[in-house]
Amino acid sequence: EIVLTQSPGTLSLSPGERATLSCRASQSVSSSYLAWYQQKPGQAPRLLIYGASSRATGIPDRFSGSGSGTDFTLTVSRLEPEDFAVYSCQQYGSSPITFGQGTRLEIK
Amino acid sequence: QVQLVESGGGVVQPGRSLRLSCEASGFTFNSFAMNWVRQAPGKGLEWVAVMSFDESQIDYADSVKGRFTISRDNSKSTLYLRMNSLRPEDTAMYYCSRVIPVAGGEYFLDHWGQGSSVTVSS
Repeated sequence: EIVLTQSPGTLSLSPGERATLSCRASQSVSSSYLAWYQQKPGQAPRLLIYGASSRATGIPDRFSGSGSGTDFTLTVSRLEPEDFAVYSCQQYGSSPITFGQGTRLEIK
Repeated sequence: QVQLVESGGGVVQPGRSLRLSCEASGFTFNSFAMNWVRQAPGKGLEWVAVMSFDESQIDYADSVKGRFTISRDNSKSTLYLRMNSLRPEDTAMYYCSRVIPVAGGEYFLDHWGQGSSVTVSS
């Protein structure tokens, strides 16, 4: 199975700053089948990005995804207070689907 | 709007059983495959099981194969996860989610419930 490694484990930034989160796969993810999810305590995970770069319905355009092969990035261009959460990547290019361990984005 | 509400979690002793339910609303349940994902305390998300819209295709993670059973009742818009022979390592928050298929049988998950907590401890 494909192992996804996210970095950094924790990212401390201030509102208004730019956040760059990394997701690296142990082998190439076919067709860029990579998704990003946001998780807040006590809430359902929320789909942000699918197909590596397509925003899900209702997701603000400050969220963007990029990458292919084994290296993928989630960028939040200008952090809003509600963006501080845990972000997880998921590959669905091969079975079983697998997730990264998550990056915690915290307020500095 | 799409809503998924899990229930049935709790504290259970090792070796016992538990059944989780996920009640869906806001979409045509019998048109979508559904999925279970779990998250152990302090750990990442782990896929558990998936079932097609018509129950014809089912798959499980190796870690639960032979112990867990996914099922659905389309007349009740409800997904189930029967968990037998529970182990301490099954302790986790269990999420149900809706499947969005892509080519080749792969999929991502566009809506998730808030989860149901399962603790396996003596």
